[in-house]
Amino acid sequence: RKEVEQDPGPFNVPEGATVAFNCTYSNSASQSFFWYRQDCRKEPKLLMSVYSSGNEDGRFTAQLNRASQYISLLIRDSKLSDSATYLCVVKSEAGGYNKLIFGAGTRLAVHP
Amino acid sequence: ETGVTQSPTHLIKTRGQQVTLRCSSQSGHNTVSWYQQALGQGPQFIFQYYREEENGRGNFPPRFSGLQFPNYSSELNVNALELDDSALYLCASSLLFGGADTEAFFGQGTRLTVV
Repeated sequence: RKEVEQDPGPFNVPEGATVAFNCTYSNSASQSFFWYRQDCRKEPKLLMSVYSSGNEDGRFTAQLNRASQYISLLIRDSKLSDSATYLCVVKSEAGGYNKLIFGAGTRLAVHP
Repeated sequence: ETGVTQSPTHLIKTRGQQVTLRCSSQSGHNTVSWYQQALGQGPQFIFQYYREEENGRGNFPPRFSGLQFPNYSSELNVNALELDDSALYLCASSLLFGGADTEAFFGQGTRLTVV
């Protein structure tokens, strides 16, 4: 089983749609969670951190359910510029160092 | 734009050759991590350098090695290249202080093709 698993996608949605991405993680001791965005052939960039209480940044809402080891990202009123791959990321703090564990990513394509 | 720069941006090598990739970390950062991203996959952790020493390592064979220099820049070396080593290689820098680290910023990556 992969440490971080995501919906495979791709998601093809019209502008203005609401789309939700899901992610599960296997290590119940994980403490830090993130969503990264990666444009085609570019580096990943931090979209937002994910907190237990849920957090919102404009049109983006992230949720964490520690009991289910489940993370979600909701995008409202999708824009063409939201087209990208969204990576679910868990920070591992085992072994005396920190590393990021990435899911395989979910591709989003927003069309006019 | 982050302050993390990688060189070269693209590289084509032949199977069996050796390659060195370079990363300049963001000013003020003391930790560099390297990741390999195969096509259609998420980045996979290779190793991390802190204070010029390997601080942690992922599930990669010994032919993947690295260095960190006093100015915190870093190199990734891969010997005996295999076709499966074709990937985007990303470095990320962060500041590790008091056991906690800041957000990691990624460079634009080096796209390696092994033929």
